Amino acid sequence: AQSVTQLGSHVSVSEGALVLLRCNYSSSVPPYLFWYVQYPNQGLQLLLKYTTGATLVKGINGFEAEFKKSETSFHLTKPSAHMSDAAEYFCAVSVGYNQGGKLIFGQGTELSVKP
Amino acid sequence: KAGVTQTPRYLIKTRGQQVTLSCSPISGHRSVSWYQQTPGQGLQFLFEYFSETQRNKGNFPGRFSGRQFSNSRSEMNVSTLELGDSALYLCASSQSGSSTDTQYFGPGTRLTVL
Repeated sequence: AQSVTQLGSHVSVSEGALVLLRCNYSSSVPPYLFWYVQYPNQGLQLLLKYTTGATLVKGINGFEAEFKKSETSFHLTKPSAHMSDAAEYFCAVSVGYNQGGKLIFGQGTELSVKP
Repeated sequence: KAGVTQTPRYLIKTRGQQVTLSCSPISGHRSVSWYQQTPGQGLQFLFEYFSETQRNKGNFPGRFSGRQFSNSRSEMNVSTLELGDSALYLCASSQSGSSTDTQYFGPGTRLTVL
């Protein structure tokens, strides 16, 4: 069965510092992986996704993630944090072929950015 | 294109009542999925509909049900509400609901059960 683990429910960084949000997955089949961001009182917005091909994936707002099969990881990074990056971030895996739009989410990581 | 819309945005009900939530997907999207978000359990998959057929269902009791109409709009219903049903209910649409499709989320309906 597929699962997702996000290490650290809260991460705090200073403005301009590197952002690193960790995600590890468990999957018996090649995974399709997603990162979403959620701002207060809003739905989820896709940052980036990995399906096949290049393992370094670039997303919106300067975020990127690297799929590492050997480490079963899909960590999210951004070189320089901005105050507007403060939000909750969710890593998700899409389960199997023909499984009808089911995403399994990690528990989320709340990112705080200090001035 | 307009995004995914959900109505109502906020809802207050009492235990034992039932509630219906509505979701309008992005134009051209045929798959609609529903998720429940709570502080304790996080984001959990409820069910997914494609072309008016439920293709996948999460681990929720039968009090949770849904349907999809021919225009792809979807509703979910919760009967005999319990306090634990208080949550943010998110709807997401995608073109086909395949595993590689991007799911676009609506703003959610915040349900409070008193």
